[in-house]
Amino acid sequence: DAKTTQPTSMDCAEGRAANLPCNHSTISGNEYVYWYRQIHSQGPQYIIHGLKNNETNEMASLIITEDRKSSTLILPHATLRDTAVYYCIVRPNNAGNMLTFGGGTRLMVKP
Amino acid sequence: GAVVSQHPSWVICKSGTSVKIECRSLDFQATTMFWYRQFPKQSLMLMATSNEGSKATYEQGVEKDKFLINHASLTLSTLTVTSAHPEDSSFYICSASDLRANTGELFFGEGSRLTVL
Repeated sequence: DAKTTQPTSMDCAEGRAANLPCNHSTISGNEYVYWYRQIHSQGPQYIIHGLKNNETNEMASLIITEDRKSSTLILPHATLRDTAVYYCIVRPNNAGNMLTFGGGTRLMVKP
Repeated sequence: GAVVSQHPSWVICKSGTSVKIECRSLDFQATTMFWYRQFPKQSLMLMATSNEGSKATYEQGVEKDKFLINHASLTLSTLTVTSAHPEDSSFYICSASDLRANTGELFFGEGSRLTVL
């Protein structure tokens, strides 16, 4: 069973903010929300993760709703190099636990 | 962040031969590494969990005798595709986490693209 639901694809204009939604209505109390992206023919790249507070780093911001049933990844100023498949994953914050990938969102940043 | 390196990045082999793919954690120790496989236009699928010093745990439908995994040290896991066939052609990706940092973040290798002729 998929634990997260994401749109299959999205477009974004270069320089604009890209807002990628994710639904995780069955998330457990000990599960974090992780975001990874995969650029074509490369391994996945970690972006950000959070439990319940909003998080920001040099790559992106993560907004988690108060009920934790959904979240949004924000790329503030998308560039062409941000074109990739973005995966939203929920899992306990345990270094031994693997990541289970769903279909992700294919983000196309256009000039 | 921590670095995970795979070798080779791509390999072409004849049907029936065996291919070994290495996964190394370059600046941290990993007692557990994960091997994924990705077919074109599909998501990553977990194949097996590689545990240092013990037998790997395979996901349902993955043949352990065909995909041999060895995790002999805290920084190296190898995946050997034995008697490879064209249907084994895929993108193989490993991942590991830094247990000392214990941030929960998994780091991924660059992937190894296997083409079996």
